[in-house]
Amino acid sequence: NAGVMQNPRHLVRRRGQEARLRCSPMKGHSHVYWYRQLPEEGLKFMVYLQKENIIDESGMPKERFSAEFPKEGPSILRIQQVVRGDSAAYFCASSQGRANYGYTFGSGTRLTVV
Amino acid sequence: DAKTTQPTSMDCAEGRAANLPCNHSTISGNEYVYWYRQIHSQGPQYIIHGLKNNETNEMASLIITEDRKSSTLILPHATLRDTAVYYCIVMGKGRDDKIIFGKGTRLHILP
Repeated sequence: NAGVMQNPRHLVRRRGQEARLRCSPMKGHSHVYWYRQLPEEGLKFMVYLQKENIIDESGMPKERFSAEFPKEGPSILRIQQVVRGDSAAYFCASSQGRANYGYTFGSGTRLTVV
Repeated sequence: DAKTTQPTSMDCAEGRAANLPCNHSTISGNEYVYWYRQIHSQGPQYIIHGLKNNETNEMASLIITEDRKSSTLILPHATLRDTAVYYCIVMGKGRDDKIIFGKGTRLHILP
C-alpha cells in the first residue's frame, strides 16, 4: 500500500512562472491537507480538501494560490506568478477523515524560485 | 495557534530513554493528543496518539496525566536516528479539525 505520493520532489521555477504541485493520497483516504514550510521555520497549514470540495482554506494566501482535489486524480496545489518568497517545502497529508486516525504525510515538494 | 507548549530543545544520550514533555492545559474533553516528528526536512511522521489512557506502540509510549493537562512522549531506547523535531498536537474529532503545528522540541541524541 503506497503512502502519500508527492511530485515532483524538486521544482525550480523562474519568477512569474506557474508552479503545480501534485499529491496522491493513500488508498482509501478521501481527505487531503497541504502545509508549507519556509526555510528554518515550522509547518504552516494552508488548505484542507475533500473530493471536489474545499473544507478549510484559512491558511491559503489570498492571491496566486489555489488548490483542488478532483473526483479523479491527485490533489493539485497551484501557485501562479511565483515570487522568491514562495520558495519552500510543500507537504501534503491525507487521512480517512476522522481525527483519531491521524494523518500520513508525503515527502514533500521543494520549490525553488530563481 | 498551537494549543501546546514544549521545550525548545533537549539532549539525550544514545541508548537512554528520551522523555519529551508537553503542556496542553486548555485541552477539551473530546480532543486527542498526537505526537509527530520531522527528521531533517522529511515529511512529518506519525508517532502515537491518545485520548486519556496511556498508549504504547512499537515506536514510543505516551503518558497522559489524569487531568489531561500534560503528557510525556517516551522513546525507550533512543538512537541517533531519533534526532528530530518532535511535535505535540491537540486536535478534536470534528469534521473541520486539522493539525496545527507549534514549534516543537528539537531532540538531539548524543553518541
